[in-house]
Amino acid sequence: EVQLMESGGGLVQPGGSLRLSCAGSGFTFSNNALTWVRQAPGKGLEWVAAISGSSGRTYYSDAVEGRFTISRDNSKSTLHLQMNSLRPEDTAVYYCATNPSSWYVWKWDYWGQGTLVTVSS
Amino acid sequence: QSALTQPASVSGYPGQSIPISCTGATGVVGGFNYVSWYQQHPGKAPKLIIYDVINRPSGVSTRFSASKSGNTASLTISGLQAEDEADYYCSSHTTNNTLVFGGGTKLTVL
Repeated sequence: EVQLMESGGGLVQPGGSLRLSCAGSGFTFSNNALTWVRQAPGKGLEWVAAISGSSGRTYYSDAVEGRFTISRDNSKSTLHLQMNSLRPEDTAVYYCATNPSSWYVWKWDYWGQGTLVTVSS
Repeated sequence: QSALTQPASVSGYPGQSIPISCTGATGVVGGFNYVSWYQQHPGKAPKLIIYDVINRPSGVSTRFSASKSGNTASLTISGLQAEDEADYYCSSHTTNNTLVFGGGTKLTVL
């Protein structure tokens, strides 16, 4: 069974940094594409970033490009999202998700339960 | 202008068929060939129900079907059931090599 477990969320001040992690199990982690999607309280889904399986090519939304970095540690079956220069509008539940393709980063079959990030002073 | 436009809400009675549209902005979604649909119940993670415009993942009810005409994709839920009450989101690849979600549609089963 594919499982994804996010961690690292919490309260951070504007301008601060936070690193999210997502531990994967039940699949060959290194083969799969992975992504982060967020959802502000009471709002819709917003795609944040994705990383392919084999090449590790990365993709970012305009809203986070230059501030967030997606990375993966295949040896530990873990996905990361380094978030810098955080803003109040980054407040959201952050979900990680995956699909069995290495290169196809436009659909997401399996999702974690999310971790809440709150940016506030 | 949002890249993907969905109706904010739709409603129907049990047993009815309900369509939900998703219109892509011209020049943003390209050929609109990588459209997916997700179902999200309150407090839960999204669930993939349609990918690549018309394909249903294994295990998803056949009551969910989808189509596309030009820059408008549609999800149809047939034989509406109480458990279908949820938020529905479309998503698409863009010409900038990013992914975009529609604003979401709240389905109410009357």
